[in-house]
Amino acid sequence: AQSVTQLGSHVSVSEGALVLLRCNYSSSVPPYLFWYVQYPNQGLQLLLKYTSAATLVKGINGFEAEFKKSETSFHLTKPSAHMSDAAEYFCAVSLSGAGSYQLTFGKGTKLSVIP
Amino acid sequence: DAGVIQSPRHEVTEMGQEVTLRCKPISGHNSLFWYRQTMMRGLELLIYFNNNVPIDDSGMPEDRFSAKMPNASFSTLKIQPSEPRDSAVYFCASSLQRGESEQFFGPGTRLTVL
Repeated sequence: AQSVTQLGSHVSVSEGALVLLRCNYSSSVPPYLFWYVQYPNQGLQLLLKYTSAATLVKGINGFEAEFKKSETSFHLTKPSAHMSDAAEYFCAVSLSGAGSYQLTFGKGTKLSVIP
Repeated sequence: DAGVIQSPRHEVTEMGQEVTLRCKPISGHNSLFWYRQTMMRGLELLIYFNNNVPIDDSGMPEDRFSAKMPNASFSTLKIQPSEPRDSAVYFCASSLQRGESEQFFGPGTRLTVL
């Protein structure tokens, strides 16, 4: 079984400051990992994904995440926050085993950007 | 491609009425997922299909909920009878049948049961 823990249900940063959203996973086999963003009144949109090709993954809108197996982490970062980054962010894990197409989502972290 | 299409976008109904939510997945995708999102419970997987066959419906809350996928381009989620606690945003998502494939989400249906 797999699980995801997102530390901090709410994170506030100033515009221009570093964004760091934390995600830890639990998985019995090598995982696939995803970060999604949800803007108000919209569906979830993929930011980036890790599929074992490279540990540092770059996504859309200047976001990136690093897979650290030793720490079972997949934290999301952006060097400089923009007002348009205010949204809810979800980390998700999928197993690499055959027949495992289900994503397990974390509870989400709501990011506020202070002007 | 137009992405995942859901209808209606908003639904307001009265307790006891039947509600049917509809989803058209992205063409070529063979996995389809129904989720429910609420403030209290977050994002919950209700059921998912592979090649039109229900694989895991353990997330369906109770017998009032049912889902069908009669063909590769259409799925429904039905609630009969509806109750106020069913009020939520319901998302449909589709993906290729591979673990590394991301799910593409529709815009959701906001259901309000009075």
